[in-house]
Amino acid sequence: GQQVMQIPQYQHVQEGEDFTTYCNSSTTLSNIQWYKQRPGGHPVFLIQLVKSGEVKKQKRLTFQFGEAKKNSSLHITATQTTDVGTYFCAPPDNYGQNFVFGPGTRLSVLP
Amino acid sequence: EAGVTQSPTHLIKTRGQQATLRCSPISGHTSVYWYQQALGLGLQFLLWYDEGEERNRGNFPPRFSGRQFPNYSSELNVNALELEDSALYLCASSLLGTGAYNEQFFGPGTRLTVL
Repeated sequence: GQQVMQIPQYQHVQEGEDFTTYCNSSTTLSNIQWYKQRPGGHPVFLIQLVKSGEVKKQKRLTFQFGEAKKNSSLHITATQTTDVGTYFCAPPDNYGQNFVFGPGTRLSVLP
Repeated sequence: EAGVTQSPTHLIKTRGQQATLRCSPISGHTSVYWYQQALGLGLQFLLWYDEGEERNRGNFPPRFSGRQFPNYSSELNVNALELEDSALYLCASSLLGTGAYNEQFFGPGTRLTVL
């Protein structure tokens, strides 16, 4: 079946440093979504990527979909304490019916 | 616009009992999804309902079941509770029942503790 990996599992950064999390799939994806879950909160949709090689930016966040559509990344420039949380990638399952959430990358930002 | 709501916020049960969790989607959303999130872990897909019907279920035993009502609200039932069922249960809704192309809006979750 489909396997979704995210690396790293945890990341501790000093405020102001950059951060990147990678999402890798064993299969080619039609699209991929990213969600953020703050500590004690619920996942919140960030973005959806559809096209091969697509790059989307949201302020300090840059999302990229790989050319082969088997991987994606989220890069945060100059992290802030408000960026703390777990970032999940969510590609569709093999049947395109539901999303499969990756294990997540937990980001800690030290002030 | 009101978001997805879930009740109760917390639920404490003992092993062998049954638990019922409720979810009200965003107005106009027809699809409801249920996820289990064990402490510190990722989201495991449980069930997907759309237009009153179960469309898909994850790799969970049959004692996890649910339904969707005509007003699109949903109920998750967990029978014969086991200790490992302790988790945060998240409900999400989306606008259209077209599967994995729509943004999901999550509720705050129900924290189920099984003693």
